[in-house]
Amino acid sequence: DIQMTQSPSSLSASVGDRVTITCQASQDISNYLNWYQQKPGKAPKLLIYDASNLETGVPSRFSGSGSGTDFTFTISSLQPEDIATYYCQQYDNLPQTFGGGTKVEIK
Amino acid sequence: QVQLQESGPGLVKPSQTLSLTCTVSGGSISSGSYYWSWIRQPAGKGLEWIGRIYTSGSTNYNPSLKSRVTISVDTSKNQFSLKLSSVTAADTAVYYCARCPSNPAGDRQAFDIWGQGTMVTVSS
Repeated sequence: DIQMTQSPSSLSASVGDRVTITCQASQDISNYLNWYQQKPGKAPKLLIYDASNLETGVPSRFSGSGSGTDFTFTISSLQPEDIATYYCQQYDNLPQTFGGGTKVEIK
Repeated sequence: QVQLQESGPGLVKPSQTLSLTCTVSGGSISSGSYYWSWIRQPAGKGLEWIGRIYTSGSTNYNPSLKSRVTISVDTSKNQFSLKLSSVTAADTAVYYCARCPSNPAGDRQAFDIWGQGTMVTVSS
């Protein structure tokens, strides 16, 4: 299985701050990497697909980059409604695997 | 718009079989090219892909669960189902069904629609 390592596991930032989360794959996955947002008690929501493509209807403050083994997810200006856990997910190989998640909180 | 809804028992006894159904509304499960997946999440933990069924009926399973998992589809009811046998407490989790487009180019494979999830507890 491809291991997806996310860091940090949690972070605390102020409203308006730039937030960056990284995701590292245990082998080259090209750009077959998606990012999801999960709020407490809710299902995950797709934000970014294929490493850098914004899903329709997702605010432009969210972005993603990277290819190969190293990927970055960025919130350009943190908003109160962005409080959630964020997950990366690879689909280059089966089984599809997720990162461990990054919990984002407001300072 | 397409919506997914999981249903099934919230409590299953150890060694028994967990059975869940995902009902697709707002569209036909057999139209287009989609993978229909099951994903689970133990309380306070991350997401684990269980397996999927393609529009054609072909399946793929997570090797860690493959010996215990069966995913099937009932197009007449617009549903797909999960059976997980010989459950233990480690199978206690929220179970989600989700849709993933299948593209000939192989890209754009993301879980774009999710059910709300259903909590399943394995306990005697």
